[in-house]
Amino acid sequence: NAGVTQTPKFRVLKTGQSMTLLCAQDMNHEYMYWYRQDPGMGLRLIHYSVGEGTTAKGEVPDGYNVSRLKKQNFLLGLESAAPSQTSVYFCASSQLAGLQFFGPGTRLTVL
Amino acid sequence: SQKIEQNSEALNIQEGKTATLTCNYTNYSPAYLQWYRQDPGRGPVFLLLIRENEKEKRKERLKVTFDTTLKQSLFHITASQPADSATYLCALDDSSNTGKLIFGQGTTLQVKP
Repeated sequence: NAGVTQTPKFRVLKTGQSMTLLCAQDMNHEYMYWYRQDPGMGLRLIHYSVGEGTTAKGEVPDGYNVSRLKKQNFLLGLESAAPSQTSVYFCASSQLAGLQFFGPGTRLTVL
Repeated sequence: SQKIEQNSEALNIQEGKTATLTCNYTNYSPAYLQWYRQDPGRGPVFLLLIRENEKEKRKERLKVTFDTTLKQSLFHITASQPADSATYLCALDDSSNTGKLIFGQGTTLQVKP
């Protein structure tokens, strides 16, 4: 089992560009999450999903959109990237409410 | 407002000693609390979960306590080793029954040989 995988691992964008981060899990988990991690701020929840076809806002959703068309995939989109979105992005999954399994992260720089 | 606080300063200890990390919270009533380990450049890895009705949980050299009156959890690593050097994150459920976790900023532990 690969667990939770994230694509890409690194990305550099110019302000105003768009991109999509892909998260995939092979554990048949119901719940999936997108976090960002900034120095001194800890992990902050952007959006989450409690099942296929459902999404909800987390603590810092502005500037991001998500989709969960298939149970195993959770996509995070940036429509118009801003330098404030420079961060490390982590995806996680869990089976109902409980411990979360994290992906390796995507390091995004917006110039 | 809701807050989770972990020691922001790094904890430096000698190999073989017990490391104790603290997680304090305010304005939460979590059903459970979790501890994760994060190595540089990697995602967090789950270590232990303790429920509100449990006072203590152990796993090998790890021990977690949970005091809902003090609103505090202590995370202990006994007989610490240089390989235990990492950042440790505590996380609480936000009582919404959606699996959402609220994370502390983490404490970096450095174990010196």
